[in-house]
Amino acid sequence: NAGVTQTPKFRILKIGQSMTLQCTQDMNHNYMYWYRQDPGMGLKLIYYSVGAGITDKGEVPNGYNVSRSTTEDFPLRLELAAPSQTSVYFCASSDADNNQPQHFGDGTRLSIL
Amino acid sequence: QKEVEQNSGPLSVPEGAIASLNCTYSDRVSQSFFWYRQYSGKSPELIMSIYSNGDKEDGRFTAQLNKASQYVSLLIRDSQPSDSATYLCAVFSGGYNKLIFGAGTRLAVHP
Repeated sequence: NAGVTQTPKFRILKIGQSMTLQCTQDMNHNYMYWYRQDPGMGLKLIYYSVGAGITDKGEVPNGYNVSRSTTEDFPLRLELAAPSQTSVYFCASSDADNNQPQHFGDGTRLSIL
Repeated sequence: QKEVEQNSGPLSVPEGAIASLNCTYSDRVSQSFFWYRQYSGKSPELIMSIYSNGDKEDGRFTAQLNKASQYVSLLIRDSQPSDSATYLCAVFSGGYNKLIFGAGTRLAVHP
C-alpha cells in the first residue's frame, strides 16, 4: 500500500530555476496539502485542495503554484527558485474533510544554491 | 499567543519511565486533536487521534484531552530509546477551518 508518494526525494536547484514537486496518493482522498518544514521548525501550510479542480492558499503561498486536475495528483510548482525556499516539502492527504487526520508522504528535500 | 503551543524540549527521560508531552491551543471551537511522531529526517507519522474529553489509550500511548482548559497531552508509558523523536501536536481549528501544527517537542529517552 503506497499511500502518499512524493518525487523526487532530493533536489538541488540554482537560483532562478523552476521545478515541479510531484505528489500522488492512492487512497482516494479528496483533501490534499503541501507543507514546508524548515530546520527545527513546525509545518507551514503552502497550499491545499479540497478536490479536483479546487485549490486554495495556505499560510505561505508566495513563490509557489499548484494544480489539481485529478483526485490522485497534486503537484507543487516553484517558478523562480530562491534561497528562502530551501526546505523540506511534505505532501499530505486526508479523507472526507479537514477534520480527519492527514497522512504524509516521505518528503522532498530541496536546496536552492 | 500561538495557535498551538508546545514546549520545544528536549524532554529527557530514562528508559522505562513515563514521558509526558503537553500541548495548548487557542481556538475554543477546536474539534479534533492529533499527535504525530517525527523521527529526524523523516515525515510525520500519526500515532493518536482524540475527539472528545477524557483519555484514549492505544498500547503504551495515552492521549488526554481537556477542552475546558484547552490542552491535550500525550503520555508514553515504559519509554524506549526508539521513542526518541519529535512529537507534533495538531489541532483542527474550526475558527480557521484547517489543521494547525505545533512546532513539536523533542523527546530523548536514554538507556
